[in-house]
Amino acid sequence: AQSVSQHNHHVILSEAASLELGCNYSYGGTVNLFWYVQYPGQHLQLLLKYFSGDPLVKGIKGFEAEFIKSKFSFNLRKPSVQWSDTAEYFCAVTRSNSGSRLTFGEGTQLTVNP
Amino acid sequence: ETGVTQTPRHLVMGMTNKKSLKCEQHLGHNAMYWYKQSAKKPLELMFVYNFKEQTENNSVPSRFSPECPNSSHLFLHLHTLQPEDSALYLCASSQGLAGVGTDTQYFGPGTRLTVL
Repeated sequence: AQSVSQHNHHVILSEAASLELGCNYSYGGTVNLFWYVQYPGQHLQLLLKYFSGDPLVKGIKGFEAEFIKSKFSFNLRKPSVQWSDTAEYFCAVTRSNSGSRLTFGEGTQLTVNP
Repeated sequence: ETGVTQTPRHLVMGMTNKKSLKCEQHLGHNAMYWYKQSAKKPLELMFVYNFKEQTENNSVPSRFSPECPNSSHLFLHLHTLQPEDSALYLCASSQGLAGVGTDTQYFGPGTRLTVL
């Protein structure tokens, strides 16, 4: 069974639309959560991460994510997307008892039309 | 960003060839990783090295052979690959905080491998 799930495989939006990409994980216990982005032709870059504390995490380029423990979710949001946000977005998780072993979701391809 | 570099960026090889992928990190990290990124599949962790010692082999076939001569360099030696091994191979590095899930990984641009 997939341990990290991203239910939306391809999302298409117009510029200025709001974005929410889903990420759910199936581990119990303490987890650390990450969102990475891969722009066309570029390497994976860290957008934001959550380890502890305030469950609403702000990252680069206006992105934020909210950790909801009861829902095992870590959804990525942006209030107003731009054409330059077109990329593939990956959610990833490490578990407290597995060190730095990152488990990735399948990825969501976001296309923003001008 | 040039923190983690990979060469070559593209590689085409036959099934009987032997080739190597190279990764170098300039971040002062102590842990390095190989991942495989295939179309429509999640990134798959292949190998983990921490302070030059292999700490994880995720059931990778022996036709993939990693080498980590020092904390800054990581190689993936390839021999007698199969067409299904065609993928993007990503290298990553992290500080190497063993057992700590907050050890953030930084990725290279990848090598696009095609096996004919």
